[in-house]
Amino acid sequence: DAKTTQPPSMDCAEGRAANLPCNHSTISGNEYVYWYRQIHSQGPQYIIHGLKNNETNEMASLIITEDRKSSTLILPHATLRDTAVYYCIVRAAGGTSYGKLTFGQGTILTVHP
Amino acid sequence: DAGITQSPRYKITETGRQVTLMCHQTWSHSYMFWYRQDLGHGLRLIYYSAAADITDKGEVPDGYVVSRSKTENFPLTLESATRSQTSVYFCASIGLTYNEQFFGPGTRLTVL
Repeated sequence: DAKTTQPPSMDCAEGRAANLPCNHSTISGNEYVYWYRQIHSQGPQYIIHGLKNNETNEMASLIITEDRKSSTLILPHATLRDTAVYYCIVRAAGGTSYGKLTFGQGTILTVHP
Repeated sequence: DAGITQSPRYKITETGRQVTLMCHQTWSHSYMFWYRQDLGHGLRLIYYSAAADITDKGEVPDGYVVSRSKTENFPLTLESATRSQTSVYFCASIGLTYNEQFFGPGTRLTVL
């Protein structure tokens, strides 16, 4: 699976949009971009994933650049409960790597009142 | 309750003892996983299972044994616990038609 690079930490004001970047310059054509987050002491929680098109769900939006070498997770209106470690993971769909996630250090997002 | 559960949630044991961490999911998901998380590290995959009676090693399998006789259960055994196995252990599952991996609440294991 391709390696990802994320900033170690970011701050955001409550009510503002949080934009979390991720670089994955070695991503292959069949690899998806996944985002998970881990709120203190809890198990990781799936947020969103995408292949090449932008995606949106009730939690967040995922913007993937046209060359697919980077992406941005957007939390449109951050709340204090969004304070967590956010992991960007690149993984091939199917095959022997199905479901296997390789977690990096992630980005610690702190949302301030 | 539906979902994925782990037991015990907290465990303290001594070096050399055998410890089994339990994981149970109610979705009949095919794939199940065990991860460990240490301070300063992300989650690392220990073992995974594609179906009942099918298991394979992950990134850090040494010192651990798994079995999967039933689809819903995936126990992780430390045959002779060492201090380096002090960690938080997370179990997860995913179905064949889903992209979302569901994680349990974790077991915090301390080996003295």
